[in-house]
Amino acid sequence: QLQLVESGGGVVQPGGSLRLSCAASGFTFSGDGMHWVRQAPGKGLEWVAFIRFDGTKKYYADSVKGRFTISRDNSNNTLYLQMSSLRTEDTAVYHCARDRVLFDYWGQGTLVTVSS
Amino acid sequence: DIVMTQTPLSSPVTLGQPASISCRSSQSLVHSDGNTYLSWLQQRPGQPLRLLIYKISNRFSGVPDRFSGSGAGTDFTLKISRVEAEDVGVYYCMHATQFPITFGQGTRLEIK
Repeated sequence: QLQLVESGGGVVQPGGSLRLSCAASGFTFSGDGMHWVRQAPGKGLEWVAFIRFDGTKKYYADSVKGRFTISRDNSNNTLYLQMSSLRTEDTAVYHCARDRVLFDYWGQGTLVTVSS
Repeated sequence: DIVMTQTPLSSPVTLGQPASISCRSSQSLVHSDGNTYLSWLQQRPGQPLRLLIYKISNRFSGVPDRFSGSGAGTDFTLKISRVEAEDVGVYYCMHATQFPITFGQGTRLEIK
């Protein structure tokens, strides 16, 4: 059964850093591009970043460019999002999603709260 | 960036009746490869986001046939032929024609 399970969320102060993980199972992780999408409390969806199946191409939303880094470890079936210089407006649930059929499977998300 | 605008933002519907959600993009979603990467997602409380429709009108695996998508260019529609209680939630259109990928604001479907 295909599963995406995010972890690593928590409370962090403005200016701090956090690394999110997305553990994939039930499919050939190394064959699919992956996305991070976030949802601020009570708000809609915002695409954050994408990485190609082999990690050779990465794209970011302007709102996170230069602060967030998407990466993957295909040997461990894990997607990452390294977040630094965090701002209060980065507070959100962060979801990973598979790209095989354009966001065909999603994780439940992990909550990141940026607050002093 | 392409702006995705959904209407209505809230849709009270009677069980068994049809529902329709519109999505308009600020520019054409036709990709240079000829495909139109417009999808519809469903968010139900406590559930992971779910892909319903991709490339305008293709139902994803396991999606009931009461869901259908249509449209072209910049105007798209999601229709539910007969709303069931389990359809309550928020529906999003999104495009993946270019980066950045963007989403509509979401339409909340509720039962009257």
